[in-house]
Amino acid sequence: DTGVSQDPRHKITKRGQNVTFRCDPISEHNRLYWYRQTLGQGPEFLTYFQNEAQLEKSRLLSDRFSAERPKGSFSTLEIQRTEQGDSAMYLCASSFTKDREFNEQYFGPGTRLTVT
Amino acid sequence: QKEVEQDPGPLSVPEGAIVSLNCTYSNSAFQYFMWYRQYSRKGPELLMYTYSSGNKEDGRFTAQVDKSSKYISLFIRDSQPSDSATYLCAMSAFNPPGGYQKVTFGTGTKLQVIP
Repeated sequence: DTGVSQDPRHKITKRGQNVTFRCDPISEHNRLYWYRQTLGQGPEFLTYFQNEAQLEKSRLLSDRFSAERPKGSFSTLEIQRTEQGDSAMYLCASSFTKDREFNEQYFGPGTRLTVT
Repeated sequence: QKEVEQDPGPLSVPEGAIVSLNCTYSNSAFQYFMWYRQYSRKGPELLMYTYSSGNKEDGRFTAQVDKSSKYISLFIRDSQPSDSATYLCAMSAFNPPGGYQKVTFGTGTKLQVIP
């Protein structure tokens, strides 16, 4: 059973550096989501893709953040010029769209980012 | 004010106890109500969901939704040490075809079941 996978699991970087995370969704899931979770908080929506199209972005997603999903398969989330406030768990989820039905989102294990 | 409010706990109970977890919300457009469980250093996993008001039971777990009070609950019967985790309530509104059901999470309640 191949669930959602994320790489790396942990990343420590210095302030000002760029980082990139990868998410591999469950095969044939057409929707992919990125969330950010800080300590003691629930996940906060960042952005989502339907196939390769990025359809919605949260106001939390500053210009330093960019996400891609080429060919509608895996996705990358890049953070440029990292700041200490970017330290968080970055979660990826995927789902198979069924209009007018509940779409269960399956989460990956997350990438924990620490900015020093 | 947050759209979804959840007591962060922590909540500590003896094994076998009945656990009650609750959330309140302010957005009357929410129609799907979910409970996720998150173990330490893992991603959330869906426990159960309900659509609109009512109750839903799955084994030892019962979810209740009262839309008139904007209040949802999760009950765990005969709690086990393996139930120790953070429980997140989450909600979404129904979207038209092709639309995205944005999910809004509570802060999570940390539960510890003591053997």
